[in-house]
Amino acid sequence: ETGVTQSPTHLIKTRGQQVTLRCSSQSGHNTVSWYQQALGQGPQFIFQYYREEENGRGNFPPRFSGLQFPNYSSELNVNALELDDSALYLCASSLETEQFFGPGTRLTVL
Amino acid sequence: GQQLNQSPQSMFIQEGEDVSMNCTSSSIFNTWLWYKQDPGEGPVLLIALYKAGELTSNGRLTAQFGITRKDSFLNISASIPSDVGIYFCAGQPPGGTSYGKLTFGQGTILTVHP
Repeated sequence: ETGVTQSPTHLIKTRGQQVTLRCSSQSGHNTVSWYQQALGQGPQFIFQYYREEENGRGNFPPRFSGLQFPNYSSELNVNALELDDSALYLCASSLETEQFFGPGTRLTVL
Repeated sequence: GQQLNQSPQSMFIQEGEDVSMNCTSSSIFNTWLWYKQDPGEGPVLLIALYKAGELTSNGRLTAQFGITRKDSFLNISASIPSDVGIYFCAGQPPGGTSYGKLTFGQGTILTVHP
């Protein structure tokens, strides 16, 4: 167990809807990174939050946004959902280089 | 998006055999990480490498950070059925705006026959 928790575990949405995914980081970790993992692929970096500020972003459109709270937990928001957004969304918390992943949220967009 | 070149894509081996997989990149990394992912779960960190040439072991697992900083390999000795899963390499580029952004390989699916 990494101590990183995510909610919900599964989610079904329809195209055009909005979704919020949540992540609680491991105790003492001040950095949270979000990744999208499509079926059969490795995780793709979405963005990272450090002390409540975005600290790096991958190749994802602005409709992917996030927040980090004072307790270092984090949210990933996706607006105007598209079918291709269906994936496992992973968050990882870290203090230094090593990132520890949560179990993920499986998002299905119909 | 950019991914590392990880090989092989899949392996079918007998229990007790040794396994080797590797990752290559066209750009250098400061850190190499190896993860294992079981179905429906998040990746679990197996080994972290921080210096070119570094060789690190974790039980039956051994990994090395390539001298060129563009490659890494993972070996599993005397495989057992619970080694089944998907293994990912991940690299972290040098600092600046890319810090903390892990780039993952496509994964190696390992099947172990008893």
